[in-house]
Amino acid sequence: DQQVKQNSPSLSVQEGRISILNCDYTNSMFDYFLWYKKYPAEGPTFLISISSIKDKNEDGRFTVFLNKSAKHLSLHIVPSQPGDSAVYFCAASGGGSQGNLIFGKGTKLSVKP
Amino acid sequence: DTGVSQDPRHKITKRGQNVTFRCDPISEHNRLYWYRQTLGQGPEFLTYFQNEAQLEKSRLLSDRFSAERPKGSFSTLEIQRTEQGDSAMYLCASSLARGGGVIADTQYFGPGTRLTVL
Repeated sequence: DQQVKQNSPSLSVQEGRISILNCDYTNSMFDYFLWYKKYPAEGPTFLISISSIKDKNEDGRFTVFLNKSAKHLSLHIVPSQPGDSAVYFCAASGGGSQGNLIFGKGTKLSVKP
Repeated sequence: DTGVSQDPRHKITKRGQNVTFRCDPISEHNRLYWYRQTLGQGPEFLTYFQNEAQLEKSRLLSDRFSAERPKGSFSTLEIQRTEQGDSAMYLCASSLARGGGVIADTQYFGPGTRLTVL
């Protein structure tokens, strides 16, 4: 039973436009959420996080939104750049997970010039 | 600033052999995590340490898997009697947990060790 779900395996966006990646979770006890970016043959790279006490966190071109009532979070990338092409993973911790992260399956983002 | 390093980056072994992977965390980080990632999946948690104490190991995939962090610095993950199903990317992450208890913290990952079992 997946506690963190990324229902879109892939997303294609034109350079300069907004990329929106979505993530849903089932455990209401999760209290910390993170987004990671992963290139092939490399480890995940931390992008941005949000605590459950907030509903938005922004860092440069990246903004994460959290909707606790819907158990949904999203990552917005504006403007999208070709170098953003990678697999993006949503992760959550808390709720008895003992500090370890529970990941979704990832969404492959392709940003076309 | 040195990130998390893992060695080796790639390992090819024959079924039944033992393998050991090493992880060096970011120097001031007190927590160290091991994950496994297979194709098309997100990383799956295996075990973690706070300093030298292994605080969670029930997620290790079988008793063939073991991990150590003897001095609270680097860690090793050993797989005994490897099977073809062990082929995966093994990822290490570290974090700095402040205070006591289970605290949300940001984990930073190494490049991973790609294991292929023939």
